[in-house]
Amino acid sequence: EIVLTQSPGTLSLSPGERATLSCRASQSVNSNYLAWYQQKPGQAPRLLIYVASSRATGIPDRFSGSGSGTDFTLTISRLAPEDFAVYYCQQYGNSPFTFGPGTKVDIK
Amino acid sequence: EVQLVESGGGLVKPGESLSLSCAASGFTFSDYTMSWVRQAPGKGLEWVSSITGSSSYIYYADSVKGRFTISRDNAKNSLYLQMNSLRAEDTAVYYCTRGLYSSSWYSGYWGQGILVTVSS
Repeated sequence: EIVLTQSPGTLSLSPGERATLSCRASQSVNSNYLAWYQQKPGQAPRLLIYVASSRATGIPDRFSGSGSGTDFTLTISRLAPEDFAVYYCQQYGNSPFTFGPGTKVDIK
Repeated sequence: EVQLVESGGGLVKPGESLSLSCAASGFTFSDYTMSWVRQAPGKGLEWVSSITGSSSYIYYADSVKGRFTISRDNAKNSLYLQMNSLRAEDTAVYYCTRGLYSSSWYSGYWGQGILVTVSS
């Protein structure tokens, strides 16, 4: 089973700042099959990024994904007020399709 | 518009069974891989199980293997999760999800979730 570690656990930033979230895998993720999701309180998660760097439809271009192998990054170039949420990575290259524990981005 | 609506949740005792359903609409159901993802109260996301459009490939998390069974009825546009031998740690909101593309294992669309509580 591939274990995903996300860091930091919490990121305290101000609107307009840049957010850099890390997702590290215990072994190489097959074909860089790594997705990122955003979840706000009381809501279902929303897909942001798939295959490490492809933005899902309707996702603003301030969200970008990068990385390969075992190290992946989600970058939010300038935080908008609606971006404060919890972010999860998921690998789907090999079953079980594990999630990371999440990074909470909150307002400083 | 893609819609996924879960039903069948509720309160059950440890060791009992429960069956979840997900009614899908707005797309050709048989074309898409579907999954169940759960979230315990106040915790992170946990992938539970996935099934391809033709049911040819089915995968489970180790935590539910042998206790849960995923299935689908393409004629009824419905996804199911049969949960047996339920434990307290199965308490969670269960989300029905659809792959973004037909063979996508990741979750491009999500239902609103249904709460399952396992408690004596």
